[in-house]
Amino acid sequence: QKEVEQNSGPLSVPEGAIASLNCTYSDRGSQSFFWYRQYSGKSPELIMSIYSNGDKEDGRFTAQLNKASQYVSLLIRDSQPSDSATYLCAVNVGSNYQLIWGAGTKLIIKP
Amino acid sequence: GAGVSQSPSNKVTEKGKDVELRCDPISGHTALYWYRQSLGQGLEFLIYFQGNSAPDKSGLPSDRFSAERTGGSVSTLTIQRTQQEDSAVYLCASSISGRAVAKNIQYFGAGTRLSVL
Repeated sequence: QKEVEQNSGPLSVPEGAIASLNCTYSDRGSQSFFWYRQYSGKSPELIMSIYSNGDKEDGRFTAQLNKASQYVSLLIRDSQPSDSATYLCAVNVGSNYQLIWGAGTKLIIKP
Repeated sequence: GAGVSQSPSNKVTEKGKDVELRCDPISGHTALYWYRQSLGQGLEFLIYFQGNSAPDKSGLPSDRFSAERTGGSVSTLTIQRTQQEDSAVYLCASSISGRAVAKNIQYFGAGTRLSVL
């Protein structure tokens, strides 16, 4: 069974520090990896997508992909209280349309 | 439209009643997905449409659940004889194409919160 695993948290990080969120996946054929942010009571919104090994940076966010080790991570620099949310990792299944979703990590940024 | 639109935003119904949830995807998006999210839980895949066809209905929890999509656009998720365990937020997402992996970025609507009393 294809799986995506995330630590449920909560992960508590001081304001201004780096928040590191991790995700592991089981399907070696996966090609697309996504990080979504979900505020309480709201729908998920895309933060980052990554398709190749290495790092991809967008503002304060960096996604890191290591296909050999089957993990993808999200770093948030200079964390702000507004970053407090649940972060969902999603991975496609091989060449399939379907995304497998992790249960999410709850991140709390403390002022 | 500019984004994925879902209606109603909230639905309260009595056990045993039928409900219809509507999703209007982003214009031009051929792929449409329905998910269910219970309180504090992750996303549960229900069904995927490519155009008007539903190649994957594997996530539908029971035969009380059905969905259709017409004109390659609007989709309706119908739950018959609702039960209390159906209470959840039902999310709809669309993407440019479900066939091209690199174009499978899914954009979500605001969801319909269903409460079955």
